[in-house]
Amino acid sequence: KQEVTQIPAALSVPEGENLVLNCSFTDSAIYNLQWFRQDPGKGLTSLLLIQSSQREQTSGRLNASLDKSSGRSTLYIAASQPGDSATYLCAVPTTDSWGKLQFGAGTQVVVTP
Amino acid sequence: DTGVSQDPRHKITKRGQNVTFRCDPISEHNRLYWYRQTLGQGPEFLTYFQNEAQLEKSRLLSDRFSAERPKGSFSTLEIQRTEQGDSAMYLCASSLLAGVYEQYFGPGTRLTVT
Repeated sequence: KQEVTQIPAALSVPEGENLVLNCSFTDSAIYNLQWFRQDPGKGLTSLLLIQSSQREQTSGRLNASLDKSSGRSTLYIAASQPGDSATYLCAVPTTDSWGKLQFGAGTQVVVTP
Repeated sequence: DTGVSQDPRHKITKRGQNVTFRCDPISEHNRLYWYRQTLGQGPEFLTYFQNEAQLEKSRLLSDRFSAERPKGSFSTLEIQRTEQGDSAMYLCASSLLAGVYEQYFGPGTRLTVT
C-alpha cells in the first residue's frame, strides 16, 4: 500500500529565503507525482506535475525534482514571498486503481515579512 | 471553461439531516473523483467515476453516502442521516486520463454537522 510522507509538518522562513519541501513515498512504481498548494479553507491548486520519466519540472520560481529509486521528491521555491504562505501537499496516483491520488499530510509554510 | 466548480461552498446542518453536494467538472474531462479532507490531513479518496460509471468506492464511503454522475456530466454526493464525524471539506477533482494527466480540484464544500 502506497504511503506518502511530508516532513516537516510546518516551516517558517523569512522573506527572500529559499524554501525546500520534502515528499517521500514507499512504492517507487509511480506514474507521476503532483504538488499542490492549499490556502486555508480553500481547495487545491495544482502547482506542478512531474512524470515518472522526468527528473525535474520547473514553473517560474518553483522547481520539483523526482528520484523514483529513493522514493523522494523535493519542491524548491526560490526567493520566498509572504504570498507563498500556504500548505503544500504532494500526491501520487495509486498503482492499484484508477489514478486516485494518495496524499501526504502537507507542509504548512509561513513566510514572514 | 473556468475550472471545477462545487456548490454549495459551505453547509451547516443538524445531525440526522440529509445533505447533497454538487460538482461540475471541466467540460472535456471524463474522469471525476470525490475526496474528503479533515483538518491537518491530506485529502482521502471517496469515489471515482469514468463518464457515468462509478468504478470504485472507498471503504470510507459508508451506506449513508451515495454518489451519482448522470449522463457523465456533473456529479452529486449525498450524505443521509449526517453524523458529527461527517464534518469535513468535500473536494471534487476531474482529469482527462488518470495516471497521466493532472487532476484539477474544485474549491470544496465545507460541511459542518452540529
